[in-house]
Amino acid sequence: AQKVTQAQTEISVVEKEDVTLDCVYETRDTTYYLFWYKQPPSGELVFLIRRNSFDEQNEISGRYSWNFQKSTSSFNFTITASQVVDSAVYFCALSEEETSGSRLTFGEGTQLTVNP
Amino acid sequence: DSGVTQTPKHLITATGQRVTLRCSPRSGDLSVYWYQQSLDQGLQFLIQYYNGEERAKGNILERFSAQQFPDLHSELNLSSLELGDSALYFCASSASGRGVDEQYFGPGTRLTVT
Repeated sequence: AQKVTQAQTEISVVEKEDVTLDCVYETRDTTYYLFWYKQPPSGELVFLIRRNSFDEQNEISGRYSWNFQKSTSSFNFTITASQVVDSAVYFCALSEEETSGSRLTFGEGTQLTVNP
Repeated sequence: DSGVTQTPKHLITATGQRVTLRCSPRSGDLSVYWYQQSLDQGLQFLIQYYNGEERAKGNILERFSAQQFPDLHSELNLSSLELGDSALYFCASSASGRGVDEQYFGPGTRLTVT
């Protein structure tokens, strides 16, 4: 069965520090998709990125970057020069095309606190 | 703003009661998903509809049911409510209902059962 593990429950950093959020996944499908979502204190879930299993290129978007490694089943998320507004819960999620359709399986989430 | 709307934003009700949560997907999206977020279970997939038909079922209790209407809005019905049903219920929508799609989430309905 599919599974997503975010081992870091809480991370606290000081503004301008870089921080990496870890995500490890399990799947038997060959075609799958990985996602990151942000849940700020207001509660909504905001889509950040999608990666498919055939594309291992790392991606950078401003201060955000993602490192996808199939060899270690990991999809880690780095925030460079963190800001107070980055404080939120971040969720990694997996969807499998073959086994479980398009439902998202979420990790437990990592609470990131960026202190001024 | 994701374009997905959910009503009501908050709901407080008593045990044994029945409530209906409503969701309107983003314009053009055909698939709707329901998720439950609670402290002990985390974010759990409940059910998916695509163009009016049920496509996938997750950890949805028999006391819960859902449907998607011809105008593509969806309703999640929760009955015989228990204290443990208190949670944040999210609706999400996607274009084609396939795994490759991004799912865009609504603001959620916070249900409190007293």
